[in-house]
Amino acid sequence: DVKVTQSSRYLVKRTGEKVFLECVQDMDHENMFWYRQDPGLGLRLIYFSYDVKMKEKGDIPEGYSVSREKKERFSLILESASTNQTSMYLCASSLGAQDTQYFGPGTRLTVL
Amino acid sequence: RKEVEQDPGPFNVPEGATVAFNCTYSNSASQSFFWYRQDCRKEPKLLMSVYSSGNEDGRFTAQLNRASQYISLLIRDSKLSDSATYLCALQGGGNKLTFGTGTQLKVEL
Repeated sequence: DVKVTQSSRYLVKRTGEKVFLECVQDMDHENMFWYRQDPGLGLRLIYFSYDVKMKEKGDIPEGYSVSREKKERFSLILESASTNQTSMYLCASSLGAQDTQYFGPGTRLTVL
Repeated sequence: RKEVEQDPGPFNVPEGATVAFNCTYSNSASQSFFWYRQDCRKEPKLLMSVYSSGNEDGRFTAQLNRASQYISLLIRDSKLSDSATYLCALQGGGNKLTFGTGTQLKVEL
């Protein structure tokens, strides 16, 4: 079974703090993704990576950066958290570009 | 027109009913299609892929209509445990998966 894990289930941070969200997959998948999910807006792609050290912007990259130093790990960074970044953050991975994506359990981030 | 559209519901159906959801898409070049299930406060999980010829998995049937640009999910003999939000997803060009906002299903006694 594919396993995607995320570093925290719940996180509370203050405005202006730097926030790191980590995602690890154990299936040697090439592709990894970060989404946020908000009521009424669905899943929105923030960034994705198709290889180590490679990254591409998704639909809403503003305010976020990412890092992929190792194949199994993909980090999402909020340089200076703001209240409008309060959301559920979901990481996913897939073997190939057209393949099924498998999701981690999500991190519910609250920025006060 | 949105890239992917779903009726948010909720669809309230009695146990044992048959229910169907549609998902329309705008990109005629889309190649891969999926249905995901998401329980409250949980991550989406793949329910089934959608193949051109249509496919069935137990009580679930998925179909693709390229001419009208929609995919459908049919659930027969609904169970209480089918209550969830059903997300459609499709692969456009490149590595990106685009998700619908989901259709909520509530199966009642």
